[in-house]
Amino acid sequence: DVKVTQSSRYLVKRTGEKVFLECVQDMDHENMFWYRQDPGLGLRLIYFSYDVKMKEKGDIPEGYSVSREKKERFSLILESASTNQTSMYLCASSFGYQPQHFGDGTRLSIL
Amino acid sequence: GQQLNQSPQSMFIQEGEDVSMNCTSSSIFNTWLWYKQDPGEGPVLLIALYKAGELTSNGRLTAQFGITRKDSFLNISASIPSDVGIYFCAGHDTDKLIFGTGTRLQVFP
Repeated sequence: DVKVTQSSRYLVKRTGEKVFLECVQDMDHENMFWYRQDPGLGLRLIYFSYDVKMKEKGDIPEGYSVSREKKERFSLILESASTNQTSMYLCASSFGYQPQHFGDGTRLSIL
Repeated sequence: GQQLNQSPQSMFIQEGEDVSMNCTSSSIFNTWLWYKQDPGEGPVLLIALYKAGELTSNGRLTAQFGITRKDSFLNISASIPSDVGIYFCAGHDTDKLIFGTGTRLQVFP
């Protein structure tokens, strides 16, 4: 079974802090994705990556950056956290055009 | 960004009833996926559809890929309490997924 692991289930940070969300997958998938999920808005794509050191902007990249130094790890970075970035963050991975597999999410609160 | 129209937004049903939900899009997709998300968890893949007209079952779940490739439905037969959760459709658009806004299902005993 594919395992996508997100480093924290719950995280509380302060406005202006730099925040790192980590995601690791164990199936050698080349594709990795970061989404945020808000009530009534569904899942919105922030950034994705096809390979090590590659990144592509999704639909809502503003205020975020990503890092993919190793194939199995994809990090989402909030450069200067703001309260409107309080959300559920979901990481996913996939192989080619196969369906994406999701982690359990990180519920992030920015105070 | 593009989103799919998923309906209904929420459903409150009694255990044993059948459920039907659907997604429509203005764009054509080559793949339709259905995911379920339990409270506090990430989405889990239920069914993947790869061909227009395809009808696929997974236990009590049945999903179809519309002939026009612009829609899909998911049926759940004889619902049980553990069916509670949010159901998402997703269409595969070249290199990424486009998600519906979800159908929240509540099942009462």
